[in-house]
Amino acid sequence: GNSVTQMEGPVTLSEEAFLTINCTYTATGYPSLFWYVQYPGEGLQLLLKATKADDKGSNKGFEATYRKETTSFHLEKGSVQVSDSAVYFCALTGGSYIPTFGRGTSLIVHP
Amino acid sequence: KAGVTQTPRYLIKTRGQQVTLSCSPISGHRSVSWYQQTPGQGLQFLFEYFSETQRNKGNFPGRFSGRQFSNSRSEMNVSTLELGDSALYLCASSLDGTGSANYGYTFGSGTRLTVV
Repeated sequence: GNSVTQMEGPVTLSEEAFLTINCTYTATGYPSLFWYVQYPGEGLQLLLKATKADDKGSNKGFEATYRKETTSFHLEKGSVQVSDSAVYFCALTGGSYIPTFGRGTSLIVHP
Repeated sequence: KAGVTQTPRYLIKTRGQQVTLSCSPISGHRSVSWYQQTPGQGLQFLFEYFSETQRNKGNFPGRFSGRQFSNSRSEMNVSTLELGDSALYLCASSLDGTGSANYGYTFGSGTRLTVV
């Protein structure tokens, strides 16, 4: 079946540091890939998406590139802020796939 | 426009009881999916409804059921509650269903169910 693997957290960074959260997936065919963010006490919010290989999704300074050859969709941000502290979920979906989410990676940014 | 609305926000139920949770999707969205979120298992897919029809179902026992009405509002029901059903239940709506390949989901804030 399909699966999504994210790096274990928490990831702890200082403000303005560079962020990478790794995500790899297993799926047949060509799924769409997503990153969602969850702030405490809230549901998930769509952060960015990519629907085909080599697409780059971007939003609010975050970026991720759909790499089919490495089955990866790593999330990056050049300079994190305290307000970016949240839990980040990688997900795949599309076509006949039952949507599959990773376990989530907690990000803590210190001033 | 209004987001995805889930009611109630919090519930406390006793083991053996049943519970019904409600979700109103974004206006115009015809697909509603339900997820269970727990610290141990993460986000687990329950089922998806599109135009009142169940399109996909996750690996949950028959005690978990759902339905969708003609106005796209959805309810999920859990019967014979167990302690392990304590979780955050999230509803997600989307325009196109089929896993929302093009648009992704818009999630509600969830219903926190505690079974005692």
